[in-house]
Amino acid sequence: DAKTTQPNSMESNEEEPVHLPCNHSTISGTDYIHWYRQLPSQGPEYVIHGLTSNVNNRMASLAIAEDRKSSTLILHRATLRDAAVYYCSQTGGGTSYGKLTFGQGTILTVHP
Amino acid sequence: EAGVVQSPRYKIIEKKQPVAFWCNPISGHNTLYWYRQNLGQGPELLIRYENEEAVDDSQLPKDRFSAERLKGVDSTLKIQPAELGDSAVYLCASSRVAGGGGETQYFGPGTRLLVL
Repeated sequence: DAKTTQPNSMESNEEEPVHLPCNHSTISGTDYIHWYRQLPSQGPEYVIHGLTSNVNNRMASLAIAEDRKSSTLILHRATLRDAAVYYCSQTGGGTSYGKLTFGQGTILTVHP
Repeated sequence: EAGVVQSPRYKIIEKKQPVAFWCNPISGHNTLYWYRQNLGQGPELLIRYENEEAVDDSQLPKDRFSAERLKGVDSTLKIQPAELGDSAVYLCASSRVAGGGGETQYFGPGTRLLVL
């Protein structure tokens, strides 16, 4: 199975940028990188995904390393509502098609 | 657009009893997933459907777990008999059919199961 590695926890202050790292040690050339987040008592929520190029959407930015062995989720201005568990994953073809493999995730704490 | 609907939200049963979870995916989504999430862990895929066909059930404990997706819409996940270790949150997700792994999965709120 695809394996990702993330820090267990990170902290930020409100209004400051947050950079959440992820290592994708087993990623292949056709695997997409996905990020989801999960608030307490809710199902995971899609944040962003990308293949090779950096991606931006209204929620966040995704920076993908040139060798694709690492990615960084960037929250440009953290708010209290961004406090959640953030999961990185990868999906692609073959046996991992459509399969999100979640690690333990990073617990993000945002201080007012 | 309505999201993924799951019921019940909570279920408490005694061990060896059967239990069933129901999921209604987002309209038009052909792919449906069941995940199990243990406390403090990320979700783990149990089974994936493409329409009515289970295309990946390699992680489903088939001795006690079963699932069905009749008519390619709603799905039911069953455990019979339940064991203490089955206590977890059972999540359903759906996505449109797309190639290459870039599709977004939309998750329901989950069913929290407690086996006593």
